Amino acid sequence: RKEVEQDPGPFNVPEGATVAFNCTYSNSASQSFFWYRQDCRKEPKLLMSVYSSGNEDGRFTAQLNRASQYISLLIRDSKLSDSATYLCVVIPGTYKYIFGTGTRLKVLA
Amino acid sequence: DGGITQSPKYLFRKEGQNVTLSCEQNLNHDAMYWYRQDPGQGLRLIYYSQIVNDFQKGDIAEGYSVSREKKESFPLTVTSAQKNPTAFYLCASSLGQGPYEQYFGPGTRLTVT
Repeated sequence: RKEVEQDPGPFNVPEGATVAFNCTYSNSASQSFFWYRQDCRKEPKLLMSVYSSGNEDGRFTAQLNRASQYISLLIRDSKLSDSATYLCVVIPGTYKYIFGTGTRLKVLA
Repeated sequence: DGGITQSPKYLFRKEGQNVTLSCEQNLNHDAMYWYRQDPGQGLRLIYYSQIVNDFQKGDIAEGYSVSREKKESFPLTVTSAQKNPTAFYLCASSLGQGPYEQYFGPGTRLTVT
């Protein structure tokens, strides 16, 4: 089993839709989690941290489910500009950053 | 403005040549990292450094070398021993080696022919 797994997509959704991605991780000792956004041929940019209690930033909500070992990212009212690849990052207890391969989102007009 | 710079943005080299990629940060971060990204793949760690004059191999260090003589700088040399050097190289930094978010530079796209 991979350390971090994401559905590669693409997820094609119409503007205004709500879309959610999951990211599963194998190491139950993992302590910290992040979501990054990566545009085509650009560097990843931090989108948000994922706290045990969840985290909301505008249209974006991140949640952690320790029992099932996954984190999720929910995007409400999708915009064309949300089209990108979303990477999850998991930091196991060893403080090594494990990046998922990303989920590609396309928001259609 | 604080941030991470990488240069050049695009680099072309002939097989057999060593090439050095630059990475500079003015965020006063202790930890710095080098990753490579290939199409359809996740980021893979090449080297990381937690402090000046110290660095450790990542998952795919063979054919690469680094130095950390200054806190702000972490150059990566891609040697001729690296079998598949063509890739997108990303430098990142974080406050320290721990549960801190990483910030990335704009990347260098290296093509070796």
